[in-house]
Amino acid sequence: DTGVSQDPRHKITKRGQNVTFRCDPISEHNRLYWYRQTLGQGPEFLTYFQNEAQLEKSRLLSDRFSAERPKGSFSTLEIQRTEQGDSAMYLCASSRLPTYEQYFGPGTRLTVT
Amino acid sequence: GDSVTQMEGPVTLSEEAFLTINCTYTATGYPSLFWYVQYPGEGLQLLLKATKADDKGSNKGFEATYRKETTSFHLEKGSVQVSDSAVYFCALQHASGGSYIPTFGRGTSLIVHP
Repeated sequence: DTGVSQDPRHKITKRGQNVTFRCDPISEHNRLYWYRQTLGQGPEFLTYFQNEAQLEKSRLLSDRFSAERPKGSFSTLEIQRTEQGDSAMYLCASSRLPTYEQYFGPGTRLTVT
Repeated sequence: GDSVTQMEGPVTLSEEAFLTINCTYTATGYPSLFWYVQYPGEGLQLLLKATKADDKGSNKGFEATYRKETTSFHLEKGSVQVSDSAVYFCALQHASGGSYIPTFGRGTSLIVHP
């Protein structure tokens, strides 16, 4: 059990550029979650997958945000046309049914200049 | 919708002091309740959980009891250590019959001095 990994750990980009983050969950974990965390706040839910199905995406912050989990293993979160307000920590977590305990990755810190 | 409210931090204590971090929630039905801890530079880690009313979760000397009547899940520890300095998050999630979206509180920073 190697834990949840995220790549990259840090990303600096210019406003208007697209960015993509990757999350590798714990193997055999069938649920995968994406969150945004800003300074002094708790994780803010964005979307989640059960296997390859995206079961909830209404909380994605705008249509510039999208996520995929094509084979039910790793997942990607893409932000198009980044804005300065997108600067935050993006967290990924996974869990295995029937429990709901989540295992978090270290996060990807995005800075939009 | 669901919500979680935690006491404002930072909470500053001396080593071996008693710790309480308050957490109350608003939710329909009977969600599972969790405490997560985030050490500097790391991701969140599950600290303890409770899945039904009157359950007590415990781990590493921390405890919290699921109180349905007061909709609370306060975190306690009898004697804190410097190594407990971290940010603590209270969270809830429904396991059936509704939204599975997890809801987190804002977090409470704990600083323990030697």
